[in-house]
Amino acid sequence: DIVMTQSPDSLAVSLGEGATINCKSSQSVLYSSDNKNYLAWYQQKPGQPPRLLISWASTRESGVPDRFTGSGSGTDFTLTIGSLQAEDVAVYYCHQYFGIPLTFGGGTKVEIK
Amino acid sequence: EVQLVESGGGSAQPGGSLRLSCEASGFTFSSYWMHWVRQTPGKGLMWVSRISGDGSSISYADPVKGRFIISRDNAKNTVYLQMNSLRAEDTAVYYCARSATAYNSFDPWGLGTLVTVSS
Repeated sequence: DIVMTQSPDSLAVSLGEGATINCKSSQSVLYSSDNKNYLAWYQQKPGQPPRLLISWASTRESGVPDRFTGSGSGTDFTLTIGSLQAEDVAVYYCHQYFGIPLTFGGGTKVEIK
Repeated sequence: EVQLVESGGGSAQPGGSLRLSCEASGFTFSSYWMHWVRQTPGKGLMWVSRISGDGSSISYADPVKGRFIISRDNAKNTVYLQMNSLRAEDTAVYYCARSATAYNSFDPWGLGTLVTVSS
């Protein structure tokens, strides 16, 4: 199984400041045949299902604010929130869809400082 | 609007059974893979199972293999999860989710249905 390890478990950021969430996979999720990283990021607010923010490690989904940026390749990935807004308070998960079983990171809780 | 609505959750005793349903709307259901993912407060998100658009390809996570059965009825735009031999550790919110291909991100997710296994 590909183990996804996120860090930190939680972070508190002042409004307008940046936030960085890390995700490390136990093996590469870069598929050589198409040169794509099979890695997604989701946002989950209380009482709601996860919402897809980023796919293929860096492709922002339609409607996602451009303050959300995904980066990285191979085994190390980052989700950056450029300027934290109040509505960004949530838990963020990384997800690898490279291999079965599909697996998720443990989540990072983002709060306002 | 693309929408997924789960139903069928509830309480069951250990060893019992439940059948979850997920009704889809707003897209060509048979063209998409469908997944079940569960979430517990302690263990986060866990992928449970997936099924291809025509139902010919199915995969399960090891903890549910041999106990859960995924199926779909494309005429009814619905995917099912038959849950047998339930255990306390199956207690979770169960979400259905869509993916465009076998190996792709999940978008969207349903609102989820709570399954509680307790004596």
